[in-house]
Amino acid sequence: GENVEQHPSTLSVQEGDSAVIKCTYSDSASNYFPWYKQELGKRPQLIIDIRSNVGEKKDQRIAVTLNKTAKHFSLHITETQPEDSAVYFCAAPLYSGGGADGLTFGKGTHLIIQP
Amino acid sequence: EAGVAQSPRYKIIEKRQSVAFWCNPISGHATLYWYQQILGQGPKLLIQFQNNGVVDDSQLPKDRFSAERLKGVDSTLKIQPAKLEDSAVYLCASSLLRGTDLAEAFFGQGTRLTVV
Repeated sequence: GENVEQHPSTLSVQEGDSAVIKCTYSDSASNYFPWYKQELGKRPQLIIDIRSNVGEKKDQRIAVTLNKTAKHFSLHITETQPEDSAVYFCAAPLYSGGGADGLTFGKGTHLIIQP
Repeated sequence: EAGVAQSPRYKIIEKRQSVAFWCNPISGHATLYWYQQILGQGPKLLIQFQNNGVVDDSQLPKDRFSAERLKGVDSTLKIQPAKLEDSAVYLCASSLLRGTDLAEAFFGQGTRLTVV
């Protein structure tokens, strides 16, 4: 199955600065890469996703880039705000092809926005 | 739109006891997943259902874990007997149309299990 590595485990940035979280994956057949945000004690919530037929996707202050050749994808948050403080998880399908599309997740990045 | 409902929210049991968790997915969602999230880690897929059939249970510890979705709607996950390392949050998620642009997985609030 797919294996996803995520870095850094903790990221502290000043409010208003940008934050970048990076993930690598192992299966070149993977075609779907979501990012989830999880606040303390709450459920994971999808914030953005990208499919392998595009290289970049943007939604307001959040963007995701995908490099299929290098098998890595990144989350970019610009103009960070206090409410961006949370744990962020990247993910990819555990198995590619067939009927299963459950996700395998990275270990998470704890993003801290310093006022 | 109502979200994914799970119960109970919290459960404390002694090791070797059994426990069951319940999940009601978003109405109309055919795909249902159970994930295990150990403190400080990302969710780990345990099992995926499509309607009432199992699509993937390759990461389910079948000697102690079982799950069912008999009528293709609600699902239960059971652990028997529980071990200390089963302490985690058990998350249920559902999606509308897997493998499509409507495949976003919506998570429930989870059940926090503590095994003592």
